Amino acid sequence: RKEVEQDPGPFNVPEGATVAFNCTYSNSASQSFFWYRQDCRKEPKLLMSVYSSGNEDGRFTAQLNRASQYISLLIRDSKLSDSATYLCVVNMRTGGGNKLTFGTGTQLKVEL
Amino acid sequence: GAGVSQSPRYKVAKRGQDVALRCDPISGHVSLFWYQQALGQGPEFLTYFQNEAQLDKSGLPSDRFFAERPEGSVSTLKIQRTQQEDSAVYLCASTPGHPSTDTQYFGPGTRLTVL
Repeated sequence: RKEVEQDPGPFNVPEGATVAFNCTYSNSASQSFFWYRQDCRKEPKLLMSVYSSGNEDGRFTAQLNRASQYISLLIRDSKLSDSATYLCVVNMRTGGGNKLTFGTGTQLKVEL
Repeated sequence: GAGVSQSPRYKVAKRGQDVALRCDPISGHVSLFWYQQALGQGPEFLTYFQNEAQLDKSGLPSDRFFAERPEGSVSTLKIQRTQQEDSAVYLCASTPGHPSTDTQYFGPGTRLTVL
């Protein structure tokens, strides 16, 4: 079983739609959680951190459920420019420090 | 300001050839990470440096992979006797301090193709 699991998609949605992505992680010792965005043939960039209390940044809302080891991302009023791959990321402490573990990513295509 | 830079951006190698990939982190960043991203997959952790010390190399797939950061700034990932399964994008990331919750800033990656 992969440490971080996501539905790879693609999710094809019309402009203006609301879309939700889910992610589960297997290591209960995971410490911090993120969503990264990766455009085609580009590097990943941090979209937002994820907290148990839930956090919102404009049209984006992220939520963490530690008991279920589940992370979500909600995008409201989706734009063409939201088309990208969304990577669920978990930060775990290792013997030497910390490392990020990425899911395979969920591909989003927003269409006219 | 300048972000993380990597060179070369693209590398084509014949099977069995050695390659060296370079990462210039953001100036002053203490921590540096290497990741391997195969097509259609998320990045996978390879190794981590804090200054010049390599604190975690658990993700290196074989002893053909070697990374160094001798002066605590620029890092080089070396792959010896490349194989076709080494074809991937190699990403470097850095953080300003100890990476507990620090944002990792990624470079553009080096796309390695092994023929």
